[in-house]
Amino acid sequence: EAQVTQNPRYLITVTGKKLTVTCSQNMNHEYMSWYRQDPGLGLRQIYYSMNVEVTDKGDVPEGYKVSRKEKRNFPLILESPSPNQTSLYFCASSATLPYEQYFGPGTRLTVT
Amino acid sequence: ELKVEQNPLFLSMQEGKNYTIYCNYSTTSDRLYWYRQDPGKSLESLFVLLSNGAVKQEGRLMASLDTKARLSTLHITAAVHDLSATYFCAVDGYNNAGNMLTFGGGTRLMVKP
Repeated sequence: EAQVTQNPRYLITVTGKKLTVTCSQNMNHEYMSWYRQDPGLGLRQIYYSMNVEVTDKGDVPEGYKVSRKEKRNFPLILESPSPNQTSLYFCASSATLPYEQYFGPGTRLTVT
Repeated sequence: ELKVEQNPLFLSMQEGKNYTIYCNYSTTSDRLYWYRQDPGKSLESLFVLLSNGAVKQEGRLMASLDTKARLSTLHITAAVHDLSATYFCAVDGYNNAGNMLTFGGGTRLMVKP
């Protein structure tokens, strides 16, 4: 089954404790992306990757890191999480143009 | 900076009625996408519009794109309860390095029996 998976699905953590949210897709897609969704603000792109070893900032990259060492995986790293990073996070992937993206199930992160 | 605005943000309608959701964007783009999100769920792709005048239809939903007016519409015909969800449009914008996808704020649709 073609899918985008994220882990963990739910995470409660404390300020400053490094964490990684994994994202994996099995569709051989070139393009992958991370978004955060907040009430009243819609979805905002954090980082995206056009292909392996190529990543770029989206709308709200501050406080996040990503890496794309292999095509299928695109982890999101929070080196020192803060409460303002409490949000619902989605990973997405697509083939090359057009960017009809397939979204993962989401990761709900709470930073206390 | 690319801005994408949807109207209305919230829509409550009766079954059987028609309505249109509007998506306006601020800079030139010829690629626009519509997504659906059910409460507590992920996003599902509905339509991909790639050129001026593009029109796509699926069931009771029809989407169109006018790149000159920088406007897309999502028209709902004879609404049914199953269409209750939040609908997002998204536009390909360009930053210095490549493409970036910008979403509208979403339209929460409630269809009442």
